[in-house]
Amino acid sequence: AQTVTQSQPEMSVQEAETVTLSCTYDTSESNYYLFWYKQPPSRQMILVIRQEAYKQQNATENRFSVNFQKAAKSFSLKISDSQLGDTAMYFCAFGSQGNLIFGKGTKLSVKP
Amino acid sequence: GAVVSQHPSRVICKSGTSVKIECRSLDFQATTMFWYRQFPKQSLMLMATSNEGSKATYEQGVEKDKFLINHASLTLSTLTVTSAHPEDSSFYICSARDPTTGGNTIYFGEGSWLTVV
Repeated sequence: AQTVTQSQPEMSVQEAETVTLSCTYDTSESNYYLFWYKQPPSRQMILVIRQEAYKQQNATENRFSVNFQKAAKSFSLKISDSQLGDTAMYFCAFGSQGNLIFGKGTKLSVKP
Repeated sequence: GAVVSQHPSRVICKSGTSVKIECRSLDFQATTMFWYRQFPKQSLMLMATSNEGSKATYEQGVEKDKFLINHASLTLSTLTVTSAHPEDSSFYICSARDPTTGGNTIYFGEGSWLTVV
Protein backbone atom coordinates (compact mmCIF):
# COMPACT_ATOMS: atom_id res chain seq x y z
CA ALA A 1 0.00 0.00 0.00
CA GLN A 2 1.12 3.54 -0.70
CA THR A 3 1.39 5.71 2.36
CA VAL A 4 2.53 9.19 3.31
CA THR A 5 3.67 9.90 6.85
CA GLN A 6 4.08 13.28 8.49
CA SER A 7 5.46 12.71 11.96
CA GLN A 8 5.04 16.25 13.27
CA PRO A 9 1.39 17.07 14.07
CA GLU A 10 2.29 20.60 15.14
CA MET A 11 5.26 22.90 14.85
CA SER A 12 5.99 26.50 15.65
CA VAL A 13 8.66 28.90 14.48
CA GLN A 14 9.58 32.48 15.14
CA GLU A 15 9.04 34.96 12.38
CA ALA A 16 12.08 35.27 10.07
CA GLU A 17 13.51 31.95 11.19
CA THR A 18 13.74 28.67 9.29
CA VAL A 19 11.65 25.57 9.86
CA THR A 20 11.70 22.10 8.31
CA LEU A 21 8.65 19.88 8.00
CA SER A 22 9.21 16.14 7.62
CA CYS A 23 7.55 13.71 5.26
CA THR A 24 8.23 10.11 4.37
CA TYR A 25 6.37 7.95 1.91
CA ASP A 26 6.20 4.39 0.76
CA THR A 27 5.62 3.22 -2.77
CA SER A 28 6.80 0.60 -5.22
CA GLU A 29 6.41 2.93 -8.18
CA SER A 30 9.46 4.37 -9.86
CA ASN A 31 7.91 7.39 -11.53
CA TYR A 32 5.83 9.70 -9.39
CA TYR A 33 5.42 13.22 -8.08
CA LEU A 34 5.62 14.61 -4.59
CA PHE A 35 3.84 17.72 -3.41
CA TRP A 36 3.59 20.04 -0.48
CA TYR A 37 0.26 21.82 -0.11
CA LYS A 38 -0.67 24.61 2.26
CA GLN A 39 -4.19 24.76 3.65
CA PRO A 40 -5.06 27.99 5.48
CA PRO A 41 -8.27 28.32 7.52
CA SER A 42 -10.16 29.04 4.30
CA ARG A 43 -9.50 25.37 3.41
CA GLN A 44 -8.27 26.29 -0.07
CA MET A 45 -5.49 23.91 -1.10
CA ILE A 46 -2.51 25.92 -2.25
CA LEU A 47 0.39 24.22 -4.00
CA VAL A 48 3.65 25.16 -2.31
CA ILE A 49 6.11 23.05 -4.24
CA ARG A 50 6.29 20.00 -6.48
CA GLN A 51 9.07 17.48 -7.08
CA GLU A 52 9.36 15.00 -9.90
CA ALA A 53 10.84 11.76 -8.64
CA TYR A 54 13.07 11.27 -11.67
CA LYS A 55 14.77 14.61 -11.06
CA GLN A 56 17.65 14.51 -8.63
CA GLN A 57 17.80 18.27 -8.17
CA ASN A 58 15.76 19.50 -5.24
CA ALA A 59 12.90 21.81 -6.16
CA THR A 60 12.87 25.37 -4.86
CA GLU A 61 10.24 28.08 -4.94
CA ASN A 62 11.42 31.35 -3.42
CA ARG A 63 11.52 30.76 0.36
CA PHE A 64 10.43 27.15 0.02
CA SER A 65 12.75 24.28 -0.79
CA VAL A 66 12.70 20.54 -0.43
CA ASN A 67 15.21 17.90 0.53
CA PHE A 68 14.28 14.93 -1.62
CA GLN A 69 16.00 11.67 -0.72
CA LYS A 70 14.58 9.09 -3.11
CA ALA A 71 16.37 6.08 -1.67
CA ALA A 72 15.20 6.96 1.81
CA LYS A 73 11.75 7.95 0.51
CA SER A 74 11.99 11.21 2.32
CA PHE A 75 10.64 14.58 1.17
CA SER A 76 11.07 17.37 3.71
CA LEU A 77 10.03 21.00 3.25
CA LYS A 78 12.19 23.88 4.40
CA ILE A 79 10.65 27.28 4.87
CA SER A 80 13.16 30.09 5.15
CA ASP A 81 12.50 33.56 6.54
CA SER A 82 9.16 32.41 7.93
CA GLN A 83 6.34 34.90 7.67
CA LEU A 84 3.13 35.24 9.65
CA GLY A 85 1.21 34.35 6.50
CA ASP A 86 2.88 30.95 6.44
CA THR A 87 0.73 29.90 9.38
CA ALA A 88 -1.42 27.05 8.07
CA MET A 89 -1.76 23.29 7.78
CA TYR A 90 0.84 21.75 5.50
CA PHE A 91 0.15 18.49 3.74
CA CYS A 92 2.68 16.30 2.01
CA ALA A 93 1.21 14.33 -0.89
CA PHE A 94 2.24 11.66 -3.33
CA GLY A 95 0.80 10.74 -6.71
CA SER A 96 1.50 9.69 -10.24
CA GLN A 97 -1.77 10.16 -12.11
CA GLY A 98 -3.30 13.05 -10.25
CA ASN A 99 -5.00 10.98 -7.56
CA LEU A 100 -3.05 12.09 -4.53
CA ILE A 101 -2.41 10.37 -1.24
CA PHE A 102 -2.01 12.86 1.57
CA GLY A 103 -0.23 12.72 4.88
CA LYS A 104 -2.07 13.71 8.04
CA GLY A 105 -0.64 17.18 7.96
CA THR A 106 1.51 19.44 10.11
CA LYS A 107 0.01 22.50 11.71
CA LEU A 108 2.57 25.27 11.46
CA SER A 109 2.33 28.38 13.59
CA VAL A 110 4.59 31.33 12.89
CA LYS A 111 4.96 33.51 15.95
CA PRO A 112 5.78 37.22 15.87
CA GLY B 1 -8.70 33.74 -10.69
CA ALA B 2 -9.95 30.28 -9.90
CA VAL B 3 -8.95 27.58 -12.34
CA VAL B 4 -11.26 25.02 -10.77
CA SER B 5 -14.55 26.20 -9.35
CA GLN B 6 -16.69 24.29 -6.91
CA HIS B 7 -20.31 25.02 -6.09
CA PRO B 8 -21.95 25.39 -3.67
CA SER B 9 -19.39 26.44 -1.10
CA ARG B 10 -21.80 25.64 1.72
CA VAL B 11 -24.98 23.60 1.75
CA ILE B 12 -27.32 22.42 4.46
CA CYS B 13 -29.74 19.61 3.73
CA LYS B 14 -32.17 17.47 5.65
CA SER B 15 -31.53 13.84 6.43
CA GLY B 16 -32.78 11.57 3.70
CA THR B 17 -32.47 14.10 0.91
CA SER B 18 -29.88 14.25 -1.84
CA VAL B 19 -27.47 17.04 -2.54
CA LYS B 20 -25.32 17.74 -5.60
CA ILE B 21 -21.91 19.41 -5.63
CA GLU B 22 -20.41 20.66 -8.88
CA CYS B 23 -16.77 20.89 -9.88
CA ARG B 24 -15.88 22.85 -13.00
CA SER B 25 -12.57 23.35 -14.74
CA LEU B 26 -12.56 26.89 -16.09
CA ASP B 27 -9.44 27.18 -18.22
CA PHE B 28 -8.84 23.67 -19.50
CA GLN B 29 -10.59 20.48 -20.40
CA ALA B 30 -10.27 17.97 -17.61
CA THR B 31 -10.70 14.37 -18.65
CA THR B 32 -9.99 13.35 -15.08
CA MET B 33 -11.19 14.91 -11.86
CA PHE B 34 -10.89 13.71 -8.30
CA TRP B 35 -13.14 13.94 -5.27
CA TYR B 36 -11.83 14.10 -1.72
CA ARG B 37 -13.42 14.24 1.68
CA GLN B 38 -11.90 15.97 4.66
CA PHE B 39 -13.17 15.50 8.20
CA PRO B 40 -12.43 18.24 10.75
CA LYS B 41 -8.77 18.38 11.72
CA GLN B 42 -7.98 15.48 9.45
CA SER B 43 -6.35 14.94 6.10
CA LEU B 44 -7.88 14.69 2.66
CA MET B 45 -9.12 11.25 1.75
CA LEU B 46 -9.50 10.35 -1.89
CA MET B 47 -13.02 9.14 -2.56
CA ALA B 48 -13.05 8.55 -6.28
CA THR B 49 -11.57 9.34 -9.64
CA SER B 50 -14.04 10.85 -12.08
CA ASN B 51 -13.43 9.97 -15.73
CA GLU B 52 -15.13 11.89 -18.53
CA GLY B 53 -17.52 9.67 -20.43
CA SER B 54 -17.07 6.61 -18.26
CA LYS B 55 -17.78 5.31 -14.79
CA ALA B 56 -15.97 6.70 -11.81
CA THR B 57 -13.38 4.65 -10.00
CA TYR B 58 -14.10 4.49 -6.29
CA GLU B 59 -11.59 3.96 -3.53
CA GLN B 60 -11.99 1.03 -1.21
CA GLY B 61 -14.65 1.61 1.41
CA VAL B 62 -16.47 4.38 -0.48
CA GLU B 63 -20.09 3.52 -1.25
CA LYS B 64 -20.61 4.15 -4.95
CA ASP B 65 -24.40 4.04 -4.61
CA LYS B 66 -24.30 6.72 -1.96
CA PHE B 67 -21.78 9.01 -3.59
CA LEU B 68 -22.80 9.25 -7.21
CA ILE B 69 -20.28 10.79 -9.55
CA ASN B 70 -21.06 11.99 -13.03
CA HIS B 71 -18.52 13.43 -15.46
CA ALA B 72 -20.65 14.15 -18.50
CA SER B 73 -18.49 16.85 -20.02
CA LEU B 74 -14.83 17.78 -20.17
CA THR B 75 -15.34 20.66 -17.77
CA LEU B 76 -17.85 19.39 -15.24
CA SER B 77 -17.94 16.63 -12.67
CA THR B 78 -20.70 16.31 -10.10
CA LEU B 79 -20.85 14.52 -6.77
CA THR B 80 -24.31 13.66 -5.50
CA VAL B 81 -24.67 12.54 -1.91
CA THR B 82 -27.81 10.44 -1.89
CA SER B 83 -30.04 9.84 1.13
CA ALA B 84 -27.77 12.02 3.19
CA HIS B 85 -27.25 11.34 6.88
CA PRO B 86 -25.60 13.50 9.54
CA GLU B 87 -22.44 11.37 9.34
CA ASP B 88 -22.07 12.53 5.73
CA SER B 89 -21.47 16.05 7.01
CA SER B 90 -17.99 16.97 5.92
CA PHE B 91 -15.84 19.14 3.68
CA TYR B 92 -15.76 17.86 0.11
CA ILE B 93 -13.12 19.09 -2.30
CA CYS B 94 -12.45 18.33 -5.92
CA SER B 95 -9.37 18.59 -8.06
CA ALA B 96 -8.72 18.48 -11.75
CA ARG B 97 -5.70 17.42 -13.70
CA ASP B 98 -4.59 19.72 -16.53
CA PRO B 99 -3.54 17.39 -19.37
CA THR B 100 -1.84 20.16 -21.32
CA THR B 101 0.97 20.53 -18.79
CA GLY B 102 2.19 16.95 -18.69
CA GLY B 103 -0.75 15.83 -16.63
CA ASN B 104 0.65 16.52 -13.20
CA THR B 105 -0.48 20.06 -12.71
CA ILE B 106 -3.39 19.63 -10.37
CA TYR B 107 -5.79 22.36 -9.39
CA PHE B 108 -8.12 22.18 -6.42
CA GLY B 109 -11.55 23.68 -6.09
CA GLU B 110 -12.48 25.86 -3.16
CA GLY B 111 -14.30 23.02 -1.42
CA SER B 112 -17.86 22.53 -0.26
CA TRP B 113 -19.10 22.28 3.30
CA LEU B 114 -21.98 19.86 3.63
CA THR B 115 -24.07 19.86 6.78
CA VAL B 116 -26.82 17.28 7.09
CA VAL B 117 -29.41 18.05 9.76
